[in-house]
Amino acid sequence: NAGVTQTPKFRVLKTGQSMTLLCAQDMNHEYMYWYRQDPGMGLRLIHYSVGEGTTAKGEVPDGYNVSRLKKQNFLLGLESAAPSQTSVYFCASSYGDVAYEQYFGPGTRLTVT
Amino acid sequence: RKEVEQDPGPFNVPEGATVAFNCTYSNSASQSFFWYRQDCRKEPKLLMSVYSSGNEDGRFTAQLNRASQYISLLIRDSKLSDSATYLCVVTLDTGRRALTFGSGTRLQVQP
Repeated sequence: NAGVTQTPKFRVLKTGQSMTLLCAQDMNHEYMYWYRQDPGMGLRLIHYSVGEGTTAKGEVPDGYNVSRLKKQNFLLGLESAAPSQTSVYFCASSYGDVAYEQYFGPGTRLTVT
Repeated sequence: RKEVEQDPGPFNVPEGATVAFNCTYSNSASQSFFWYRQDCRKEPKLLMSVYSSGNEDGRFTAQLNRASQYISLLIRDSKLSDSATYLCVVTLDTGRRALTFGSGTRLQVQP
């Protein structure tokens, strides 16, 4: 099992460009999450999904959109990137019954210039 | 005020030492508590849950004090492989899916 994978691993964007981060999990988890991690801030939840076709806002959703068309995939979109979105983005997934045990992907390092 | 506060460290300790990390949380309605571990430039991984009665997993002991809104992690007989950042995590969500992470305490175990 690959666990949770993220694509791409690194990306540099110019202000105003758009991009989509892809997360895939092969553990048949119901729940999936997108976090960002910034120095001194800890991980902050952007959006999450409790099942295929459903999404919900987390702590810092502004400037991001998500979609979960298939159970195994969770996409994070940046429509118009800003320097404040420079961060490390982590995707995670979990079973519904043990939602606190979240399995994280290796992260995507995004720089917006 | 941050919801979850941790001393960022770093804590530099020799192998074999006992080290303790503390964490405070601001919301008294917090339901559940956990410690995650994050190695340098890697993803976080669940280390252990924290129960009111205290719990132990090998060399690791976690304690919760709800009255003081305080969580601790004790590591005995530190190993080089314990070097990592330890993240304190709480959740208000009874479904325990919306986790709030502290910014972490870095531990460096020296040979």
